Amino acid sequence: AQKVTQAQTEISVVEKEDVTLDCVYETRDTTYYLFWYKQPPSGELVFLIRRNSFDEQNEISGRYSWNFQKSTSSFNFTITASQVVDSAVYFCALYGDSGAGSYQLTFGKGTKLSVIP
Amino acid sequence: DVKVTQSSRYLVKRTGEKVFLECVQDMDHENMFWYRQDPGLGLRLIYFSYDVKMKEKGDIPEGYSVSREKKERFSLILESASTNQTSMYLCASSLDSVSPLHFGNGTRLTVT
Repeated sequence: AQKVTQAQTEISVVEKEDVTLDCVYETRDTTYYLFWYKQPPSGELVFLIRRNSFDEQNEISGRYSWNFQKSTSSFNFTITASQVVDSAVYFCALYGDSGAGSYQLTFGKGTKLSVIP
Repeated sequence: DVKVTQSSRYLVKRTGEKVFLECVQDMDHENMFWYRQDPGLGLRLIYFSYDVKMKEKGDIPEGYSVSREKKERFSLILESASTNQTSMYLCASSLDSVSPLHFGNGTRLTVT
């Protein structure tokens, strides 16, 4: 079975602070994909990034960066100089073999980020 | 830009009613999904479909069924709604299994 753990249920930061959202995953698969999604208060989940298991390069997109470490089975997400618009629930997800050749996408329970002005 | 449209934003139904939640996507995606989202439980997959008339059970299919008669439309059916099915329902589509999901705005269903 595969599993995604987002240990931080809720985080509050003051605007302009940096914040890291943790994601730890479990899988027996050697080929898998990791995702991050953002769900703002409006409700619609928006895709942020996808990483495959063979690409451990970190990625930066503006104020967002992602750190993928296979050695620790983690795919952490950092927001630099946070803004109020970053307030949302963030989900980490894993696509892989959940067992007996059954491939599916498994979501973590999400981390609610509140950025206080 | 992919658009996934869910027919209702809010829905209130009575226990025992048959409920249809409709979802339409406009980008010719093969895969479509129904999730429910509950506080503290994250997103849980109810059913998915990878082709017309094909369906697969997700993690929590009990009490639900689905229909995919056309590629662009994926319906979730609650045969006899119960109060424990009060939830936010999210529809999504994707080009293929490893492509990102595109989500609709969600339907908040209340069963009284």
